[in-house]
Amino acid sequence: NAGVTQTPKFRVLKTGQSMTLLCAQDMNHEYMYWYRQDPGMGLRLIHYSVGEGTTAKGEVPDGYNVSRLKKQNFLLGLESAAPSQTSVYFCASSHPLVYEQYFGPGTRLTVT
Amino acid sequence: SQELEQSPQSLIVQEGKNLTINCTSSKTLYGLYWYKQKYGEGLIFLMMLQKGGEEKSHEKITAKLDEKKQQSSLHITASQPSHAGIYLCGADGTGANSKLTFGKGITLSVRP
Repeated sequence: NAGVTQTPKFRVLKTGQSMTLLCAQDMNHEYMYWYRQDPGMGLRLIHYSVGEGTTAKGEVPDGYNVSRLKKQNFLLGLESAAPSQTSVYFCASSHPLVYEQYFGPGTRLTVT
Repeated sequence: SQELEQSPQSLIVQEGKNLTINCTSSKTLYGLYWYKQKYGEGLIFLMMLQKGGEEKSHEKITAKLDEKKQQSSLHITASQPSHAGIYLCGADGTGANSKLTFGKGITLSVRP
C-alpha cells in the first residue's frame, strides 16, 4: 500500500495563478482532510470530507475549494493564488471507526 | 473554537535525559492525539488517549491524560537522537471523530 500520496511535492506560483493539489489514498478511508502548516501557527484544517461527494469547511477555508468526486481522491484548488497561501499543505485520511489519521508527505507551495 | 496550548515551545536535551512536554485544551477533550513530525515530512501517529487518567506507552514514550485539567503530558525516557522532531497534539472537541484541532507543536532536539 502506498498510503496517502500528494502531488506535486513542490510548486512555485505567481500571484493570481491557479492550481490543484491532488491527494490520493489507497486505504478505502471515508474521511479525508486538507491542512496547511505555517511557522508559529501549527497545523490548521482547511477543508475536510466525510465521504464521497461531500465536503465541509474547516478552520481556514477562504481562498480554497475542494472536491471529492471519488472516494480515494481529495482535490484542493487555489483559484487565484496569493502570497498568504505560501505554506506546506498536508493531506490526511482516516476511517470513522479508527482514530488515527494517516498523513501524506506534504506539498510545499510558494506564491510569489 | 477549541484551542490547544503546547509547552514548552521548544526543548533541547542531552541524549539519555528524560523529558516531559504538555498539551492543554481550552475545552472539554473527547480524545487527545499525539503525533510526531520529522522535518520536511508528514505526521506520524503516536497514540490516542480518551479517558481521564488513561496512560499509554509506545517504546520509551508515555502519554497521560488528565481529564479534569483538560491536559495531556508526553514523557520520553532516556531520550535518543531518533526522538528529535516536532511533537503535535490534536484534540477531538466534538466527539464525532471527524476532525481534529492541533496545537502549534513542540520542537525537540536531542544532543548526542
